[in-house]
Amino acid sequence: EAGVAQSPRYKIIEKRQSVAFWCNPISGHATLYWYQQILGQGPKLLIQFQNNGVVDDSQLPKDRFSAERLKGVDSTLKIQPAKLEDSAVYLCASSPPTGGTDTQYFGPGTRLTVL
Amino acid sequence: GESVGLHLPTLSVQEGDNSIINCAYSNSASDYFIWYKQESGKGPQFIIDIRSNMDKRQGQRVTVLLNKTVKHLSLQIAATQPGDSAVYFCAENYGGATNKLIFGTGTLLAVQP
Repeated sequence: EAGVAQSPRYKIIEKRQSVAFWCNPISGHATLYWYQQILGQGPKLLIQFQNNGVVDDSQLPKDRFSAERLKGVDSTLKIQPAKLEDSAVYLCASSPPTGGTDTQYFGPGTRLTVL
Repeated sequence: GESVGLHLPTLSVQEGDNSIINCAYSNSASDYFIWYKQESGKGPQFIIDIRSNMDKRQGQRVTVLLNKTVKHLSLQIAATQPGDSAVYFCAENYGGATNKLIFGTGTLLAVQP
């Protein structure tokens, strides 16, 4: 079974520029998550989708971050404008639609460097 | 590859020895716990999980122990191999409909040949 796909793998931008990341979850997984992982720390949840609806975006900096999952499959995460402190790895994960506590499977991440 | 281990607690073991990685979790209401392994430049990889109605679960070369009294989780790796070198995270699930995971700080396991 194919895993979670993410692109690009690396991105370098100047502060105040915009950037977008793409995620394709494991086939059939209804729940999709975006995490931010700052170097030396554990992943922190930014937003969680169930199909195309938002379940939890309480830790998403909504003044600059946005995410969508229009057709309930692929998802994009956008940062506009980027700040230096946004430098991190952005991880996408998915879990199956069985409800309750389900194992989350992670993609390889996109490493963002903001200069 | 670059390291995700900066500023992390480090456990250094000899190849073939057993490793024990510890984790303290925060929420006494958490009912599901997972250990993830993260190699440099990769996303976290599921290792083993345990639910709060258990205190021990075994997998292939790995065992997870849960002590709910002191909110402590441990991961034991038997006969540690160089391929086990990575950062290990514990994660707790607060339960409910959102399946939200809260990750710990992580421990860097360095296996010496």
